[in-house]
Amino acid sequence: ETGVTQSPTHLIKTRGQQVTLRCSSQSGHNTVSWYQQALGQGPQFIFQYYREEENGRGNFPPRFSGLQFPNYSSELNVNALELDDSALYLCASSLAPGHPGELFFGEGSRLTVL
Amino acid sequence: RKEVEQDPGPFNVPEGATVAFNCTYSNSASQSFFWYRQDCRKEPKLLMSVYSSGNEDGRFTAQLNRASQYISLLIRDSKLSDSATYLCVVNMNTGNQFYFGTGTSLTVIP
Repeated sequence: ETGVTQSPTHLIKTRGQQVTLRCSSQSGHNTVSWYQQALGQGPQFIFQYYREEENGRGNFPPRFSGLQFPNYSSELNVNALELDDSALYLCASSLAPGHPGELFFGEGSRLTVL
Repeated sequence: RKEVEQDPGPFNVPEGATVAFNCTYSNSASQSFFWYRQDCRKEPKLLMSVYSSGNEDGRFTAQLNRASQYISLLIRDSKLSDSATYLCVVNMNTGNQFYFGTGTSLTVIP
């Protein structure tokens, strides 16, 4: 067990709805990254949060947004859901930005958009 | 062009076989390299880091060729429990983004 917890584990939404996914980072880790993994693909970087600020963003539209809280937990929000947003959303915590070491992943939130 | 390219497989090998996976990366500024393992419907987990000098962990050997921008993973004496998807991962040490390949699927057959 990595100590990274995500909720919910599964959810189903319809196009146009909004979703919030939550993540608690591993103890001692102040950096949280979010990844999207579509079926048959590798994880794709959405963004990273460090000290409650966005610290880098991948090629995702603004309807993907996030937050980090003082206890380092994080949320991913997706507005105006599209069918292609169906994927496994993975949260990963790490020691610090720029630390080239291990990413510790949670078990993910599997989102289905109908 | 994708940052990291992998042959998706699938690789189906008998128990005891030796199997090798290859991966190429496009950005010469890449500094850190890893292999992650992902079991079906589970999260990725670090298998091993990859160092310029090459490194070995039991039956697993990873190698890096910076000149060719190429990373490899060799698994010797395959076990049924090695069946998984193996993800090649690259980081440029600029802070945040890890680039994952699409993964190579391995099934070890009894």
